[in-house]
Amino acid sequence: EAGVAQSPRYKIIEKRQSVAFWCNPISGHATLYWYQQILGQGPKLLIQFQNNGVVDDSQLPKDRFSAERLKGVDSTLKIQPAKLEDSAVYLCASSLSWAASGNTIYFGEGSWLTVV
Amino acid sequence: DAKTTQPTSMDCAEGRAANLPCNHSTISGNEYVYWYRQIHSQGPQYIIHGLKNNETNEMASLIITEDRKSSTLILPHATLRDTAVYYCIVRSPNDYKLSFGAGTTVTVRA
Repeated sequence: EAGVAQSPRYKIIEKRQSVAFWCNPISGHATLYWYQQILGQGPKLLIQFQNNGVVDDSQLPKDRFSAERLKGVDSTLKIQPAKLEDSAVYLCASSLSWAASGNTIYFGEGSWLTVV
Repeated sequence: DAKTTQPTSMDCAEGRAANLPCNHSTISGNEYVYWYRQIHSQGPQYIIHGLKNNETNEMASLIITEDRKSSTLILPHATLRDTAVYYCIVRSPNDYKLSFGAGTTVTVRA
């Protein structure tokens, strides 16, 4: 079974530029998450989708971050304009559904962003 | 808001069992204990989870105390590839996300 796919793996941009990350979840997984992980810290949830609807985007800096999952499958996370503090790993994850009971969340390898 | 307390770091000898403690003294009766690990430059990897009973799979064993206020993840025969940050997470049935703390950095030494 294929895992969660993410691209690009690494990206270096200048501040004020834009960047987009792509995620393809495990086949059949209705729930998709984007997490941000700053060096030395645990991952922090940015946004969660159930199919193509947003369940929780309370931690997403909406002035510069946006995310979409138009067809309920793959998703794109965009940052525009980027700031130095956006340097982090962006992790995509998916699960069969959003209920916690016995429902494992699987993560991709992450997209490493450096803003200079 | 992490609901768990873990040691910052620990060392383990290759081939020996690694016992990773986690305190979750405010856990509720219907909350699960999940363990993930993150090897350098990779995404978090699911290890195991449990509610009340001890659990075992091909990766590890999870021992939960009778009062459920603490648990121990056991890696039976640690290898160098088990060097990683290990996260203990308490998750309620209605909690759709995982809330990560700082975890325990485990270093397996030859």
